[in-house]
Amino acid sequence: QVQLVQSGAEVKKPGASVKVSCKASGYIFTSYGFTWVRQAPGQGLEWMGYISTENGRTSYADRFQGRVTMTADTSTTTGNMELRSLRSDDTAVYYCARARYSGSYLDFWGQGTLVTVSS
Amino acid sequence: DIQMTQSPSTLSASVGDRVTITCRASESINAWLAWYQQKPGKAPKLLIYKASTLENEVPSRFSGSGSGTEFTLTISSLQPDDFATYFCQQYFSYVTFGQGTKVESK
Repeated sequence: QVQLVQSGAEVKKPGASVKVSCKASGYIFTSYGFTWVRQAPGQGLEWMGYISTENGRTSYADRFQGRVTMTADTSTTTGNMELRSLRSDDTAVYYCARARYSGSYLDFWGQGTLVTVSS
Repeated sequence: DIQMTQSPSTLSASVGDRVTITCRASESINAWLAWYQQKPGKAPKLLIYKASTLENEVPSRFSGSGSGTEFTLTISSLQPDDFATYFCQQYFSYVTFGQGTKVESK
């Protein structure tokens, strides 16, 4: 069965970086990319970007451009999302989700990773 | 960017009620719309894609309709397990989510 298992919760200081991983199993890894979505406490869902696992091409939301890097490792069937220069308003649950394309519905999701940014 | 607006933000209903949630796009997205259900502390779950196609194993009391800029999610007879927050998502151009509709017990 399809599973996306994310890394554990993180606590970071302002200005630091965080890397969240997403281990995929149960399907052909390169047939689907990863979309990353975040959700601040009590708020809605925000699209951060997409990475193709077939060719590594990325599409990032404008507001994260220059601060986020998404990668995918076919040898370990893992996707990664690194966010730099963290601010307190980056405190959120970060989700990976399976997606065919940068514009696609999201049929399987990871369990979420809480990132807390606090001094 | 395409903006998605859901209404209402909160909906109070009872078990057995017919429930309708609306999602409007700021420009035409054809039928490139999905609906998700999210419960507290959990990841969203895909219910419907391409505006009206029910995802596998989703109960048939859920249905979706619409095209262009106006879409609806209907729950024909609300069940106890359906109290949750629902989000729409366009995928015509990248991805944008609506702000969510919380369905709560009346």
